[in-house]
Amino acid sequence: NAGVMQNPRHLVRRRGQEARLRCSPMKGHSHVYWYRQLPEEGLKFMVYLQKENIIDESGMPKERFSAEFPKEGPSILRIQQVVRGDSAAYFCASSPNMYEQYFGPGTRLTVT
Amino acid sequence: GQQVMQIPQYQHVQEGEDFTTYCNSSTTLSNIQWYKQRPGGHPVFLIQLVKSGEVKKQKRLTFQFGEAKKNSSLHITATQTTDVGTYFCAGEPAGANSKLTFGKGITLSVRP
Repeated sequence: NAGVMQNPRHLVRRRGQEARLRCSPMKGHSHVYWYRQLPEEGLKFMVYLQKENIIDESGMPKERFSAEFPKEGPSILRIQQVVRGDSAAYFCASSPNMYEQYFGPGTRLTVT
Repeated sequence: GQQVMQIPQYQHVQEGEDFTTYCNSSTTLSNIQWYKQRPGGHPVFLIQLVKSGEVKKQKRLTFQFGEAKKNSSLHITATQTTDVGTYFCAGEPAGANSKLTFGKGITLSVRP
């Protein structure tokens, strides 16, 4: 059973461009979570999704950020018009049961 | 909002020494989870504690959930260099729809 997949692993964007981060949950997992991690910081919850539904987006900035988990295909975290402060590691996690979460390898976003 | 605190952020031990760290929540939790993240890696689920006063062991690691379900501890017996990494606790408040709040983590270094 393959683990949680995230791509790309590293992403460099210039200020003002769009960043699109993908997450494929483990097989059989219908719960997906996105987190953001700054160096030497903990994980900050961004959004919790189930198939085709956003359950909790209380950790996501109101502007420029959006997330989806379509019926088919990976979950996408989209950041429009990126700024330097968006540089961070973005982790996706999936869960079969809303309890333990299995993390992907992360996407390290650098905004230049 | 809910806070999960882990203090200190760094601890250095000599190989073979025991190590204990604590996690405190500002609110009562339905469950608490522990994760380990190696440098450059992603968080890996270690354990989940649900019941008041629960104690679980994994080889040299012992996890405990406080009686009031607001704090937890992780104890490592006879540390080894493979124990190096950052240990995060994450709490789910009662009725929070599986949203986890992570502490900032404690980074453990082990001198051989």
